[in-house]
Amino acid sequence: LAKTTQPISMDSYEGQEVNITCSHNNIATNDYITWYQQFPSQGPRFIIQGYKTKVTNEVASLFIPADRKSSTLSLPRVSLSDTAVYYCLVGDRAAGNKLTFGGGTRVLVKP
Amino acid sequence: DVKVTQSSRYLVKRTGEKVFLECVQDMDHENMFWYRQDPGLGLRLIYFSYDVKMKEKGDIPEGYSVSREKKERFSLILESASTNQTSMYLCASTRRQGVSYEQYFGPGTRLTVT
Repeated sequence: LAKTTQPISMDSYEGQEVNITCSHNNIATNDYITWYQQFPSQGPRFIIQGYKTKVTNEVASLFIPADRKSSTLSLPRVSLSDTAVYYCLVGDRAAGNKLTFGGGTRVLVKP
Repeated sequence: DVKVTQSSRYLVKRTGEKVFLECVQDMDHENMFWYRQDPGLGLRLIYFSYDVKMKEKGDIPEGYSVSREKKERFSLILESASTNQTSMYLCASTRRQGVSYEQYFGPGTRLTVT
């Protein structure tokens, strides 16, 4: 399974854009990159998934360079409610959609 | 709306007790997972199941067993609870087919073993 490395924590202010970069140097050809969000006392929630280039949905954008050894989750104009832990994962389809969660990035949005 | 429910939000058990944690999903998902989450360690996979009566060990299966008798239900069993099993336990489910890694998580069970 590919291992991921991401910053432990980040601080931001309301209205700013938050970018979290994740390294996954050993990503396999068939692996997808997935990001989850977790609020305190709740289970993680799927945010976005991508394979290459750029993916955008109503919540976030995901930028993946051509070598796919890293990816950047971009949260536009964050609010206080975006304070959470964000996990970057790469998946192993051969193991039944098994995922390995790392420590995540704790994002604190300040007023 | 996908729903994954867990039998208890909070549970307190004594050392040596047998503990059952139940998880039910209503989306006819093939795959189900049990994780534990501890401060500083993120989520760690205990067991997963990709079909009824099928199970696979995750990264930390020691001290745990699982049961999947029906597609919608996945149980985690602590045969003899110990204090180092005090943790938040999270259940998740997902479809087997396709490339999506979107797992749907339950609210979690915070287990304290005294």
